[in-house]
Amino acid sequence: QSVLTQPPSVSGAPGQRVTISCTGSSSNIGAAYDVHWHQQLPGTAPKLLIYANSNRPSGVPDRFSGSKSGTSASLAITGLQAEDEADYYCQSYDTKMRGVVFGGGTKLTVL
Amino acid sequence: EVQLVQSGAEVRKPGESLKISCKGSGYTFTSYWIGWVRQMPGKGLEWMGFIYPGDSDTRYSPSFQGQVTISADKSISTAYLQWSSLKASDTAMYYCARSEMATNTDYWGQGTLVTVSS
Repeated sequence: QSVLTQPPSVSGAPGQRVTISCTGSSSNIGAAYDVHWHQQLPGTAPKLLIYANSNRPSGVPDRFSGSKSGTSASLAITGLQAEDEADYYCQSYDTKMRGVVFGGGTKLTVL
Repeated sequence: EVQLVQSGAEVRKPGESLKISCKGSGYTFTSYWIGWVRQMPGKGLEWMGFIYPGDSDTRYSPSFQGQVTISADKSISTAYLQWSSLKASDTAMYYCARSEMATNTDYWGQGTLVTVSS
């Protein structure tokens, strides 16, 4: 049972828009800790996709965007491409756990 | 260019010890935390702990406290994760990752696969 809750899977056709939610609580996202998103392509290490809720590292396409409100955050992917098929993880800090926490991960399938 | 290069895959028997490594380059090693993350087969990411190589301040996830030891040798820009007595349930991919404030991770290593089997 992850501290941050994500849907196990989402899917969309090429060109479509999908969103992935990340629901936390008052001890993590709701306590004003930033949310970060990581993309893990099949068989590879995770890679930082969005940091501090809505910022993209250099090289990440602007098709990826993040937002945060209250105790939840969302990752949006527009103009879906086959290469976006991957697992996506949200990450934050939790005061009760006194450390980093991850969501359970969401598998994105491009139909 | 920031890089974290991890040691190669390991196969051990239950009860054996093991130490894997993560070498940082392209940045000031002593100014960032290094964290370790476990990914069991087919499962998600689990934070294990962080170390600040500058002063060896170490923080463990409650789930991993007492189960592993995290250390660092700043003279060679390398962090370590070690077990004194491996169990079959330690079979997993282990990633190291850099962190600015021990509240997030930005750059990741390529992972070290640890297999524990009799």
